[in-house]
Amino acid sequence: QSVLTQPPSVSAAPGQKVTISCSGSSSNIGNNYVSWYQQLPGTAPKLLIYDNNKRPSGIPDRFSGSKSGTSATLGITGLQTGDEADYYCGTWDSSLSAHVVFGGGTKLTVL
Amino acid sequence: EVQLVQSGAEVKKPGESLKISCKGSGYSFTSYWIGWVRQMPGKGLEWMGIIYPGDSDTRYSPSFQGQVTISADKSISTAYLQWSSLKASDTAMYYCARQWNLRYLDYWGQGTLVTVSS
Repeated sequence: QSVLTQPPSVSAAPGQKVTISCSGSSSNIGNNYVSWYQQLPGTAPKLLIYDNNKRPSGIPDRFSGSKSGTSATLGITGLQTGDEADYYCGTWDSSLSAHVVFGGGTKLTVL
Repeated sequence: EVQLVQSGAEVKKPGESLKISCKGSGYSFTSYWIGWVRQMPGKGLEWMGIIYPGDSDTRYSPSFQGQVTISADKSISTAYLQWSSLKASDTAMYYCARQWNLRYLDYWGQGTLVTVSS
């Protein structure tokens, strides 16, 4: 059971938009920055969004992030078949034993 | 170019010890945290812990405290993850990643597959 809650799967057609939610609590998302990672099949995860809504160099602006309270959202517009991957949210958890926590991951299918 | 290059796949028996490595290049190795992440077959990401090679400050996830040891040798820009007695349940892909200011993991290694089987 992951500390952060994501939907197991989402799907949409090429060219469409999709959002992936990530729900936490005041000890993690509520008081810390959120990051998002994309893991293409058989590869290492890649940083997609950091500090809630910033994109690293090379990440297209089709990808966006937002945070409100204890939830965060990843948005992907203009879906491409190459976007099919697992997506994970992550953040610092400031509880007694501070550590990074991830969501369980969301499998994106581009139909 | 920032790179993290991990050691190769390992096949071990239960009870054996193991130390895998992660060599950083293209940046100041002593100035950034290095984290380790486990991914069991078909499962999600689990953060195990981090080390700051500059002073070897190390922190562990409660789930992994006492189960593994994280270390680093700054003279060769390499971080390590080790087990003293492997279990079948340690079978997984292990990734190292540079952790920026404890906030996000910006560069990842290619992963080391550890298989523990009798």
